[in-house]
Amino acid sequence: AQTVTQSQPEMSVQEAETVTLSCTYDTSESDYYLFWYKQPPSRQMILVIRQEAYKQQNATENRFSVNFQKAAKSFSLKISDSQLGDAAMYFCAYRAGGTSYGKLTFGQGTILTVHP
Amino acid sequence: DTEVTQTPKHLVMGMTNKKSLKCEQHMGHRAMYWYKQKAKKPPELMFVYSYEKLSINESVPSRFSPECPNSSLLNLHLHALQPEDSALYLCASSPEAGVLGEQYFGPGTRLTVT
Repeated sequence: AQTVTQSQPEMSVQEAETVTLSCTYDTSESDYYLFWYKQPPSRQMILVIRQEAYKQQNATENRFSVNFQKAAKSFSLKISDSQLGDAAMYFCAYRAGGTSYGKLTFGQGTILTVHP
Repeated sequence: DTEVTQTPKHLVMGMTNKKSLKCEQHMGHRAMYWYKQKAKKPPELMFVYSYEKLSINESVPSRFSPECPNSSLLNLHLHALQPEDSALYLCASSPEAGVLGEQYFGPGTRLTVT
C-alpha cells in the first residue's frame, strides 16, 4: 500500500522569507502523480502544484516549486517570498497512475504559520 | 472555472434525522468524490463516482448513501448518523481519464450530529 509521510507537523516562516515543507512517500508503482494541496483556515482545499513521476523537471507555479527526488521518494515544497496568505495546512498527496479516478493518499499535513 | 459548490455550508442533525448533502460542478468532469475530514486531519476518501457509476466505496457504513443523478450532481444521503460522524464533508471532482486527474475540492459541509 502506498503511504505518504509529512514529518513536520508545524512550520513557521517570516514574511518574505523562504520555507520548505517535506514529504516522502512509499510506492512500488512506476506511474504516479504527486500533489501539494493547501487548506487555509476557511477550509477550502486548493491545489497548489502537481508533478508527474515520469517528468524529471521539477514543477513550478509562481512562488511555489517542488524538489522531486524520485529515487529517494521525496517531494518537498518550497515557498519563496512567503506571504501572510500562505498560512494554511499543507497536504502532500499521491495518486497512482493508470486511471484518473484513483484514490488520493494524503500525508498528515503540515501547519504553516507566517509571521509578519 | 474550477468551482465545485456544496450545500448546505452547515448542518446540524439528530441521530434519527434524514438529511442530504449536495455537490455540484459545471466543469464537465466525469469523476466525483466524497471525503470526510476531521479537524486537523487529512481527508478520508468515502466514495468515487466515475461516469455516474459508483466505482469506489471505501467500506463506508450504510448510514451514508451516495447518489449521482447526473454528471454534474452528487448527493450524500444521511440517515441514523452517530455523533462520531460529525466532520467536514468535502466533495471533489476530476477530469476524464488521459489528463492529470487532479481533484478540485468544494468548500465542504460542516456536519454536526447531536
